[in-house]
Amino acid sequence: DAGVIQSPRHEVTEMGQEVTLRCKPISGHDYLFWYRQTMMRGLELLIYFNNNVPIDDSGMPEDRFSAKMPNASFSTLKIQPSEPRDSAVYFCASSWARGETQYFGPGTRLLVL
Amino acid sequence: GESVGLHLPTLSVQEGDNSIINCAYSNSASDYFIWYKQESGKGPQFIIDIRSNMDKRQGQRVTVLLNKTVKHLSLQIAATQPGDSAVYFCAENIQGDYKLSFGAGTTVTVRA
Repeated sequence: DAGVIQSPRHEVTEMGQEVTLRCKPISGHDYLFWYRQTMMRGLELLIYFNNNVPIDDSGMPEDRFSAKMPNASFSTLKIQPSEPRDSAVYFCASSWARGETQYFGPGTRLLVL
Repeated sequence: GESVGLHLPTLSVQEGDNSIINCAYSNSASDYFIWYKQESGKGPQFIIDIRSNMDKRQGQRVTVLLNKTVKHLSLQIAATQPGDSAVYFCAENIQGDYKLSFGAGTTVTVRA
């Protein structure tokens, strides 16, 4: 099993640009989570999906952030327009069942200049 | 100058010694607990889990202890190795909830 796959692994962009982060969950996992990790705030849950449907997006910082899951094997997190304070490591995780262990991807390290 | 950001607990351990990492949880309704290890530049990795109907669970070189009376969780690592240097997170799940709640993490440094 390849585990959770994220791309790109690193992204450097300029303020105001659109950023799209991608995730492929583990096959058969019905739950997908997007997290953001910073030194200031630690690991924060942004949004999660069940069977491709967004369940709770209360952690999304503002309207500049959006997430989609068009099918069971792909999700995107988009930031438009990006700001320097969005610089962080973004993780995707998936789980096979409600409340069970989440398996994390390697993360995307985002730097907004 | 004043430092900002999370002040993670730290643990410095001599190689070969046993490590004990502690975690306090707040919700008595939590019934599932997980320990994760995060190495520099990587995502959190599952180490071991335990459900609330157990007090102890053992894996390879790791043991998790759960004390529900005082809402305390610990991770014991036997014969700590340099590769064990990482940030360790505990996570809890409240029965029926979709989400895991993560602790701030403990930084473990292994001295050669």
